[in-house]
Amino acid sequence: NAGVTQTPKFRILKIGQSMTLQCTQDMNHNYMYWYRQDPGMGLKLIYYSVGAGITDKGEVPNGYNVSRSTTEDFPLRLELAAPSQTSVYFCASSYIQGANEKLFFGSGTQLSVL
Amino acid sequence: AQSVTQLDSQVPVFEEAPVELRCNYSSSVSVYLFWYVQYPNQGLQLLLKYLSGSTLVKGINGFEAEFNKSQTSFHLRKPSVHISDTAEYFCAVSEWGTGNQFYFGTGTSLTVIP
Repeated sequence: NAGVTQTPKFRILKIGQSMTLQCTQDMNHNYMYWYRQDPGMGLKLIYYSVGAGITDKGEVPNGYNVSRSTTEDFPLRLELAAPSQTSVYFCASSYIQGANEKLFFGSGTQLSVL
Repeated sequence: AQSVTQLDSQVPVFEEAPVELRCNYSSSVSVYLFWYVQYPNQGLQLLLKYLSGSTLVKGINGFEAEFNKSQTSFHLRKPSVHISDTAEYFCAVSEWGTGNQFYFGTGTSLTVIP
C-alpha cells in the first residue's frame, strides 16, 4: 500500500532557483493538500485541491504554484526560491468532502534554500 | 478565524507515568477535533478524532482524549507511556460547513525517559 508518495525527500536549492515537489496518491482521493511545517509553527496550508482541475489557495500561498491535471498527482512548484521557503513540506489527501475526514500524509520533503 | 493552541511545546515524562497533552481551540461554530502523531522523519498519522456523541474518544496505542465544549479543549491523555510514544503530537480542528480546511496547533514534543 503506497498511500501518499512525495519526492524528493531532501533538496538544497540556491536562492532564485526553481523546483517542483512531486506528490502522488493511489487511493483515488478527491482532496489533496500541501502544507509546510516550520519549527514551533505547526502546519500551515499552502494550497489545496478538491479534484482534478480545481485548486485553491490556503493560508500561505505566496511564492508557490500548484496544478492538478489528474486525480493522482498534485505537484507544488517553487519558481524563485527564497530562504523563507526553507521548511519541511507535506502533501496530504482525503477521500470525501467533509471536515470530519482524516488526512493521509506523505513522509515529507525537507527543503533548504541557501 | 480559527485558532488552535498547544501550550506545552515540550513534555518530558518518565516511562510508565501518565501524561496529558493540552489543546485549546477557538471557534464560533461547531468543530471536529483531531490528534495526529508524527514519529521522527515520518508524516503525520491520525491518533484519534472527535466528530460527535460521547465526549471521551479512544484512539490507537492506548491514547484517549476528552472534548470539553465549555472550555473549548480537547486534551490528550495516556495513563502509562512507553518509550515508543516519543514523538511530536499535533492537535487539529476543522469547522462544520467549511469544506476541508484543517487548522493545526504548533505541536507538542513528547519525550519518554527510561
